[in-house]
This record gives sequence, structure tokens and C-alpha cells, in this order.
Amino acid sequence: DGGITQSPKYLFRKEGQNVTLSCEQNLNHDAMYWYRQDPGQGLRLIYYSQIVNDFQKGDIAEGYSVSREKKESFPLTVTSAQKNPTAFYLCASHRGTGGQPQHFGDGTRLSIL
Amino acid sequence: QKEVEQNSGPLSVPEGAIASLNCTYSDRGSQSFFWYRQYSGKSPELIMFIYSNGDKEDGRFTAQLNKASQYVSLLIRDSQPSDSATYLCAASISGGYNKLIFGAGTRLAVHP
Repeated sequence: DGGITQSPKYLFRKEGQNVTLSCEQNLNHDAMYWYRQDPGQGLRLIYYSQIVNDFQKGDIAEGYSVSREKKESFPLTVTSAQKNPTAFYLCASHRGTGGQPQHFGDGTRLSIL
Repeated sequence: QKEVEQNSGPLSVPEGAIASLNCTYSDRGSQSFFWYRQYSGKSPELIMFIYSNGDKEDGRFTAQLNKASQYVSLLIRDSQPSDSATYLCAASISGGYNKLIFGAGTRLAVHP
């Protein structure tokens, strides 16, 4: 079945540690996105990528990094510079160019130990 | 600052009634609008999208867009308890290659 797979579902980070969240899609979608959701708030864009080997910062990129080495993969690293990483992280993708609906993976819930 | 505003709710409606969810957006250049349903602890699921002024119907759902008033709404007919969720409204950012701005969501509670 085609879809967007995020792993792990739950992740715990120790202080000073970098952690990487995985996002893989087999929908042949060109564009991929990372969002962060905090309780009672809308989704905020962290990074997005339109094509392989290219990505742009979103509204809250500080403390995060990404790579896009393959069309189907867009991992997000939460670095130790992100002082408040506890949130629900969502990966999304869409086909084609602008205006297309984005579809989401199941999300990763990150907490501080 | 481009924004999408939604009433946080909860909007409480009896089973079988019409639920009306509303959203306003600040970016006059927004072209695409999306409604997502999010159950507690789950990821958003696309319900409807609309690009043109007027109504778009899909089953029990109708999306309405008024670009002059910068207003988007979602009507859910014959509401069911399974419709109880948070509904997120999103608008595309002008010149932003499908970058979306999301509202904080409206919580809908359908009671039997």
C-alpha cells in the first residue's frame, strides 16, 4: 500500500543529544514537509523540500536540520540547539506543483527525558 | 504576519444536525484551501479542498469559499459521534509554492 511512514512513533531525547526522525514515502511525491504541532496550536512549518538535494527553511527551522538525498526520504534531525523539542512531529508530502493537497504520515511524538 | 483564524470551540451539536465550522484567512493572495480532520493523538486527515469561490460538496461534507470576504467554511450534514474531532483549516501562502498556514483548529463534539 502507498503511504507515508514515520518512525519511530515515540521518541525520547536526553539533554544534549541529537535525534533523527524518519519519514519515507512510496507515493512518488515530489514535495515533502516537516511540521511541528504543540497542544492547542496549529501546525508550524519546520522545513520543506521540492526536489531531491534541495530544501528550504520554514518558519521555525532553528535547532533542526534535514536532508533530501532520495526522493522518497526526508529525515529530520532535532539537534541539541532546539531547547524545547517536546512536540508532535508530522511529515507530509504532495504530488506535482503548488496547490495540491498535502497528505500526512502518522507522526512522531518526541519528549524530553 | 499571515494568519488563519478559527474558533477553538468546542462546537457541540446533536447527532443528525448540521455542524458549521468557520475559518478566516489574512493572505489575500491565498488560492488553495484545505480542511483536515484530526482525532485526538492522531495525524491530520484531508477531508476537503477548494480552490474556487462557491460550494464544493463531497458526501456529507460541503466546503464553502468566499475570497472577497476571505472566509472558508465546512458544513457537515447528518453529524455523527464519529465526526467528533478537531478540524484544521489551512490556506496556501501566496508565492509560497504550496506552503500552507494552518489554523489552530475547531474542536467538534457530536452528542447522541
